[in-house]
Amino acid sequence: KQEVTQIPAALSVPEGENLVLNCSFTDSAIYNLQWFRQDPGKGLTSLLLIQSSQREQTSGRLNASLDKSSGRSTLYIAASQPGDSATYLCAVPLKETSGSRLTFGEGTQLTVNP
Amino acid sequence: GAVVSQHPSRVICKSGTSVKIECRSLDFQATTMFWYRQFPKQSLMLMATSNEGSKATYEQGVEKDKFLINHASLTLSTLTVTSAHPEDSSFYICSARGQGRAQYFGPGTRLTVL
Repeated sequence: KQEVTQIPAALSVPEGENLVLNCSFTDSAIYNLQWFRQDPGKGLTSLLLIQSSQREQTSGRLNASLDKSSGRSTLYIAASQPGDSATYLCAVPLKETSGSRLTFGEGTQLTVNP
Repeated sequence: GAVVSQHPSRVICKSGTSVKIECRSLDFQATTMFWYRQFPKQSLMLMATSNEGSKATYEQGVEKDKFLINHASLTLSTLTVTSAHPEDSSFYICSARGQGRAQYFGPGTRLTVL
């Protein structure tokens, strides 16, 4: 059974800092890995999707890396802003599907202080 | 990007009543839709997967007679919580997947059962 873990559970940083969020998964035979953002009481916004054949994806100040062999992914946020405050979730599809049913980590709650 | 809507965004009902939540893909055809449930400070848990025109597949521990899912068209899926009880109070989120691999999430529905 795939298990997804995110560390840290919560993170508070001053504005402008670069930061890294970590995601690990127990079964490395994944099809892809997706990072999401969730604002309080809201749904999810997809940030980045990394295919299993890729090592990283970039979108603006966000960079996500994937190391399948070690079962890890990181989300790097450059020059953090108060608007980045949210919960960040990583998710991987179940092995027998190609990108459908997702297993989510518990999330990292990020607070960026002005 | 792809847009998924949910209606209603919030609903309060009395114990014993049934509540229907709609999930719509606004600008793409969703061959598969997913329903998730999220308790406070916890991650999303997949409840069921529905493919257009066929019966939904429920995750272990999810009562199919209590959570009725209908995916009658390529743009609409509904989740009906039957005979709702206070323990059904939660945040329900749907997602939709089209031809690509990514899932797009709705904004969620906050259900409170009194």
